[in-house]
Amino acid sequence: DTGVSQDPRHKITKRGQNVTFRCDPISEHNRLYWYRQTLGQGPEFLTYFQNEAQLEKSRLLSDRFSAERPKGSFSTLEIQRTEQGDSAMYLCASSLDGALGKKLFFGSGTQLSVL
Amino acid sequence: SQELEQSPQSLIVQEGKNLTINCTSSKTLYGLYWYKQKYGEGLIFLMMLQKGGEEKSHEKITAKLDEKKQQSSLHITASQPSHAGIYLCVGGSQGNLIFGKGTKLSVKP
Repeated sequence: DTGVSQDPRHKITKRGQNVTFRCDPISEHNRLYWYRQTLGQGPEFLTYFQNEAQLEKSRLLSDRFSAERPKGSFSTLEIQRTEQGDSAMYLCASSLDGALGKKLFFGSGTQLSVL
Repeated sequence: SQELEQSPQSLIVQEGKNLTINCTSSKTLYGLYWYKQKYGEGLIFLMMLQKGGEEKSHEKITAKLDEKKQQSSLHITASQPSHAGIYLCVGGSQGNLIFGKGTKLSVKP
């Protein structure tokens, strides 16, 4: 069990560029969550997947944001035409729904800076 | 939509004092988790509560979930500087899990 890994750890981009983040959950976990956290605030829910199905999206997830989990394993979060307001820490978490309850395991996050 | 309200937003206590942080849900929770976050570090799992009336303790931290599963408290006994950080409750009533806005705890030596 290597835990939840996120890549990259840091991303600096210019306004208007597209960025993509990757999350590799714990291998047997069927649920995967994306959160966004700005300085001084708690993480805000963006979306979550049950296997490959995206079951819920927050209103925070504008049409510039898209998330996928094509094979029910790793997930990607893409932001198109980035804006300075997108600068935040993007956190991924996974859990095993069922026998072990819903304990969330978090990755270290991807820190996005939009210049 | 469901919300988790945490109180207080921030707390400064003298080392050795006890403190309590509260988390209130607008809907009955499936389960509730407490995490701690320190600047530059990841989220550290503290407790998971699933049953109404459940109480769990680990070292000097005790978490409770009320019978209705809408309110939880986190109590720290004899606080230490190592307890400083942001405490977050996380919970949900359906598939998603949402965070409270966090309680920033500072412990003065």
